[in-house]
Amino acid sequence: DQQVKQNSPSLSVQEGRISILNCDYTNSMFDYFLWYKKYPAEGPTFLISISSIKDKNEDGRFTVFLNKSAKHLSLHIVPSQPGDSAVYFCAASARRKSSGDKLTFGTGTRLAVRP
Amino acid sequence: DAGVTQSPTHLIKTRGQQVTLRCSPKSGHDTVSWYQQALGQGPQFIFQYYEEEERQRGNFPDRFSGHQFPNYSSELNVNALLLGDSALYLCASSLARGPVNTIYFGEGSWLTVV
Repeated sequence: DQQVKQNSPSLSVQEGRISILNCDYTNSMFDYFLWYKKYPAEGPTFLISISSIKDKNEDGRFTVFLNKSAKHLSLHIVPSQPGDSAVYFCAASARRKSSGDKLTFGTGTRLAVRP
Repeated sequence: DAGVTQSPTHLIKTRGQQVTLRCSPKSGHDTVSWYQQALGQGPQFIFQYYEEEERQRGNFPDRFSGHQFPNYSSELNVNALLLGDSALYLCASSLARGPVNTIYFGEGSWLTVV
């Protein structure tokens, strides 16, 4: 049972434009959501997160939106840069602010930013 | 400040063999989690160690076992290897009472079972 879903395996955008990566979840117990970025031959690196008590969190070019009623979150990258080309994973945790809980990951979206 | 280090980076094993993967957590971290990432999939939680004990476990068979040492480093052992165990094994370190967004991953160990 895939509790975190990223239905778009790949996305291609032009440099300077907006990239929107989507993620859906089914488990109502999830209360903290994270986005990780992964380059080939490297481990995932933390990008941005959002607590379920918020609907938006912004960090520079990256913004994450959370729609709890729809169990949907999205990552916006504006403007997109070629260096953003990587695989992006959505992850969820069922215990807020505690790394003691496991992360449940989606299958990832491969973003390609064209120069 | 060294981050999470894993060894070996790549290895090839034969079906039925046993493998041990190693992880040193980021300095100051006391909790180690292991994840399996099969090709085209997201990382899947195997188990987590804290204070040298398994604290949580995902949906993996008993062939997967682990250990945490007093210096917080950890090992992942897989017995009776199957072809389906071929994957990237990721170690993640964190602080037991730290925020979720401070979980750090290593570069992983690529295991190929032939």
